[in-house]
Amino acid sequence: NAGVTQTPKFQVLKTGQSMTLQCAQDMNHNSMYWYRQDPGMGLRLIYYSASEGTTDKGEVPNGYNVSRLNKREFSLRLESAAPSQTSVYFCASSASYEQYFGPGTRLTVT
Amino acid sequence: DQQVKQNSPSLSVQEGRISILNCDYTNSMFDYFLWYKKYPAEGPTFLISISSIKDKNEDGRFTVFLNKSAKHLSLHIVPSQPGDSAVYFCAASNDNQGGKLIFGQGTELSVKP
Repeated sequence: NAGVTQTPKFQVLKTGQSMTLQCAQDMNHNSMYWYRQDPGMGLRLIYYSASEGTTDKGEVPNGYNVSRLNKREFSLRLESAAPSQTSVYFCASSASYEQYFGPGTRLTVT
Repeated sequence: DQQVKQNSPSLSVQEGRISILNCDYTNSMFDYFLWYKKYPAEGPTFLISISSIKDKNEDGRFTVFLNKSAKHLSLHIVPSQPGDSAVYFCAASNDNQGGKLIFGQGTELSVKP
C-alpha cells in the first residue's frame, strides 16, 4: 500500500518547455488534488478532481492543465513552463475531509 | 484575500514545554478544520482535526481548540519533543466546497533540547 506516489521527484526545465507531473493513489479515493507550495504562501490549490471524469479549477490554475486518467491517476501538465512556476508540487487524494499527500515534485524553471 | 491565516512564521520552544500554534479564519461557513505537519522534503501528513460542532479535540500530546466566535483555532503540543520540529499548516473546509481545503501559510516549529 504505497498511498500517493508522484513522479518525478526533481525536474529542471528551460522556459517554454513542457512537462507532465504524474500522480497515482492506491486508496480508492474519489477526489484528487494538485497543490503548489511556495515560501510564505502555504499550499495553494491548482486543480482538483472530485471524481473520475471531472476536473475543476482551484485558486491558481493559470498555466496548467490536468487529466483525470482513471480513478487512480491524476496528471498535471505545464504546456509552456515559466520561471514563476518554479515551486514544489504536491498531489493529494481524499475520501472525506482528510487529504493524503504524496512526497512532492521539486520543479525549477530557468 | 487570505481566508486562513497563520500570523507567526516561526516558533521556538524548549523540549518538555508547551507549544501553541495559532490560526485565524475569516469565512464563517467553514465547518471542519485540520492541522497538518510537514517535514523537509516530504509531503504534509494529517495530524488532527475538529468539527465546528466541537470546541476541543484531543489525541495524545496534541489538542486542537476551536473558538468560533473569534474565528480562531489553536494547536497545543504537550510536552513538546525535538521530533515535533516541523512546519505546521492549519486548513479549513466546508461541505459546499467539495472537499477542498484552504491552507494557512504555515508556522515553523523548532523544539530545542
